[in-house]
Amino acid sequence: GAGVSQSPRYKVAKRGQDVALRCDPISGHVSLFWYQQALGQGPEFLTYFQNEAQLDKSGLPSDRFFAERPEGSVSTLKIQRTQQEDSAVYLCASSHDRGQPQHFGDGTRLSIL
Amino acid sequence: KQEVTQIPAALSVPEGENLVLNCSFTDSAIYNLQWFRQDPGKGLTSLLLIQSSQREQTSGRLNASLDKSSGRSTLYIAASQPGDSATYLCAVRRGDSSYKLIFGSGTRLLVRP
Repeated sequence: GAGVSQSPRYKVAKRGQDVALRCDPISGHVSLFWYQQALGQGPEFLTYFQNEAQLDKSGLPSDRFFAERPEGSVSTLKIQRTQQEDSAVYLCASSHDRGQPQHFGDGTRLSIL
Repeated sequence: KQEVTQIPAALSVPEGENLVLNCSFTDSAIYNLQWFRQDPGKGLTSLLLIQSSQREQTSGRLNASLDKSSGRSTLYIAASQPGDSATYLCAVRRGDSSYKLIFGSGTRLLVRP
């Protein structure tokens, strides 16, 4: 596709459930980023991939958060044992390379009940 | 630690007014600064990117300025239109050309017809 695609657009889960969020980057983009955006706030960095290698996961809030990009294209952000404070919009972005402008998807809005 | 602040948090203006959005950052050692637009339920659209060596960038009715020494940037919107209603976010990239974007909390703009 022409842009970064994220699915699902909306996800509602009960506290304690596991969720998986998917990101399809722009074809050929080497770098992929995940951000978390709380209501009324700017996005905050979670993790960064260069191809299939996860080079920075310093922004992941806890060990319940896990991200992968096994073939260097599609990425999945998994949250285990979800808690209410995990409710947020999760944005994915990709770029040609790490220093190039990042292109954002429309995000997945996660609500934990 | 780099912190980015945007003032005001919200702004409502009548159509046709010229307006200024403000962004300040605490560490002047930046690589570049970027202004984004975010519509409700959507991802981020890049508006203007200013490299650290530049003073301003213009695109149509938008003009962004950068004063690194004082840690400030402004986004000027001329002849505002209802279609300009959105949240405007500024983000800085660290001076070591880090891939991380550090965002402010945004300014929610409403342009009244």
